[in-house]
Amino acid sequence: KAGVTQTPRYLIKTRGQQVTLSCSPISGHRSVSWYQQTPGQGLQFLFEYFSETQRNKGNFPGRFSGRQFSNSRSEMNVSTLELGDSALYLCASSFTPGQIYGYTFGSGTRLTVV
Amino acid sequence: AQTVTQSQPEMSVQEAETVTLSCTYDTSESDYYLFWYKQPPSRQMILVIRQEAYKQQNATENRFSVNFQKAAKSFSLKISDSQLGDAAMYFCAYRRRTGAGSYQLTFGKGTKLSVIP
Repeated sequence: KAGVTQTPRYLIKTRGQQVTLSCSPISGHRSVSWYQQTPGQGLQFLFEYFSETQRNKGNFPGRFSGRQFSNSRSEMNVSTLELGDSALYLCASSFTPGQIYGYTFGSGTRLTVV
Repeated sequence: AQTVTQSQPEMSVQEAETVTLSCTYDTSESDYYLFWYKQPPSRQMILVIRQEAYKQQNATENRFSVNFQKAAKSFSLKISDSQLGDAAMYFCAYRRRTGAGSYQLTFGKGTKLSVIP
């Protein structure tokens, strides 16, 4: 069974641009969460989506947004990119929010802002 | 606020030996879950072991076990018979409820484990 798929795997963008990252959950999973991983701040929670609704959002500026489609695929968008947005963006999926078993991460998208 | 602290940024262990990674956390909740995740160079976060706070028995998964001390808010990971494939970043994580039906993981800063042949 396919795992959590994140695309693209690598991305280089220029300051001020915007970027969209994609996450396809495991088949049947309806909950998707996003995390940002940086050397300085570590792993920080961004959002959680379930049934096309944002259930929770971490402490990030409004430049960070996301959405979930009816097929449970999720996208996150960062507008007006800053150098500090360079990070590994990980998503995780599960059948329902907070499910302990089957909570699975993807391999992430490495975003570099220059 | 819930925080997770891993006090060992790096550790090393000889192949076939045992190593213990430390984690402490802060919470006012009584019912919660704790996890250890492994992140190899492939970047995917892989669940190593989980512990329910209401269970006093320490979780075990093959060569991996935890020492869960609820009163001390300590959750250490022991890796026995270390193998080269165990080399990775290890993250301790706490799952907290943030609202009705909504949860998030709070992670420690990680411990980089090297395995020496």
